Amino acid sequence: GENVEQHPSTLSVQEGDSAVIKCTYSDSASNYFPWYKQELGKRPQLIIDIRSNVGEKKDQRIAVTLNKTAKHFSLHITETQPEDSAVYFCAPALSGSARQLTFGSGTQLTVLP
Amino acid sequence: DVKVTQSSRYLVKRTGEKVFLECVQDMDHENMFWYRQDPGLGLRLIYFSYDVKMKEKGDIPEGYSVSREKKERFSLILESASTNQTSMYLCASSPGPTWANSPLHFGNGTRLTVT
Repeated sequence: GENVEQHPSTLSVQEGDSAVIKCTYSDSASNYFPWYKQELGKRPQLIIDIRSNVGEKKDQRIAVTLNKTAKHFSLHITETQPEDSAVYFCAPALSGSARQLTFGSGTQLTVLP
Repeated sequence: DVKVTQSSRYLVKRTGEKVFLECVQDMDHENMFWYRQDPGLGLRLIYFSYDVKMKEKGDIPEGYSVSREKKERFSLILESASTNQTSMYLCASSPGPTWANSPLHFGNGTRLTVT
C-alpha cells in the first residue's frame, strides 16, 4: 500500500503566524490529495483537496500545493487563529483503489494566543 | 449536508464478547468505510464496501468482519473482542463510483473499551 509520511508531528505557532504541514507519499500514481482537520473530540472533516492536474489551490486562509515530481503536497495556513488548533491529516489516494486511502499519522497544530 | 451516524458514542465490552458497531448514512453514498484511530498511528482502514453485499479488506482486517445488507448501513463486527481492539472507531462514506477520489464524510466515532 501507499507509504505516507506527515511532518511535523506537532507544530506550535503564534496567532497570526503561518503554518505549513508537509505530506510525502510513495505511489506516483496517486491522483487525489485531501487534507482533513479534526478538532478535539470531533470527527475529521475535509478542509481542502487538490487533484493531480492542479499545482495549487487556495481557499481564504488555507492553501494546498502539490509537487508530483517530488511526491509531496503541503497544507499552508496563513494568519492562524486559535480555532485552527486541531490535528490535521493528509490522505493521498488513487482513484479506484481503496487500499490507497492511507492517512498520515497527523499533525497537532497549536495556535498560541 | 451529509449525515453519518454511528449508533454508540461510547461502548464498554468484555474480552471474548461479540461486538457490533453500526453506521448509517443518509446521502445514498455507494462507498462506506471503517477506520480505527489510535494515537500516533493516524487512521487505519479496516474494511470498506463499494456496494451492497460487497466488501474488501483494508490494511488491518484481522479480528474484524463487516456486513452491508442495505446501502445506507455498514456494520463492523468484532467476533471475539480483545483488549488490543480498544480504540476509537470511525465510519465514513463517500459517493461513487470511483472511491478514493472524493472526500470522506465521517461519523462522530465510537470509543470502544474492551476490558
